[in-house]
Amino acid sequence: AQSVAQPEDQVNVAEGNPLTVKCTYSVSGNPYLFWYVQYPNRGLQFLLKYITGDNLVKGSYGFEAEFNKSQTSFHLKKPSALVSDSALYFCAVSGYNTDKLIFGTGTRLQVFP
Amino acid sequence: DAGVIQSPRHEVTEMGQEVTLRCKPISGHNSLFWYRQTMMRGLELLIYFNNNVPIDDSGMPEDRFSAKMPNASFSTLKIQPSEPRDSAVYFCASSPGGGLNTGELFFGEGSRLTVL
Repeated sequence: AQSVAQPEDQVNVAEGNPLTVKCTYSVSGNPYLFWYVQYPNRGLQFLLKYITGDNLVKGSYGFEAEFNKSQTSFHLKKPSALVSDSALYFCAVSGYNTDKLIFGTGTRLQVFP
Repeated sequence: DAGVIQSPRHEVTEMGQEVTLRCKPISGHNSLFWYRQTMMRGLELLIYFNNNVPIDDSGMPEDRFSAKMPNASFSTLKIQPSEPRDSAVYFCASSPGGGLNTGELFFGEGSRLTVL
């Protein structure tokens, strides 16, 4: 069965500092990995995905994620955090030939001025 | 373009009542998903459709829950009878589908259900 784990319930970072939100995965076969963001009282929004190719994936709002096969990780990163980045972030995985996504438990990112 | 449209946005009902949540996917999208979000369980996939056909309903909690997609532009999620533990935010999402592995689901704003 496919799954993702987000080990941190909350990440706090000062504005202007780099941020990392962690995600590890467990799949049989090649992983298809995604990050989504949820702002208060809104639905989830797609940020970026890894399907194949370059291990460093760039997405919306200056976010990027690094796929690491040996560590089975897909951490979300941003070089310089903004207060407006404060939100709930979800890692997700899907299998081959399907759009069915399994989401992690979410990590709340709080960026302080 | 209009995104995924869900109604109602908020629903407060009493235990035992029937609840119907509605979703209009993005035009041209072939896959539709119903998710439930709670503090305790996070985001759970309840059911998904491809070309109006239910593909995987293994996440539907029990027989009180049912979902239909009579055509490409409309889906319902029904709970009958409702119970307090069904209180959650229910999200509908759609995607181009076809097993493209785009992973780019487009979510509605959600329906917040409170069962008293």
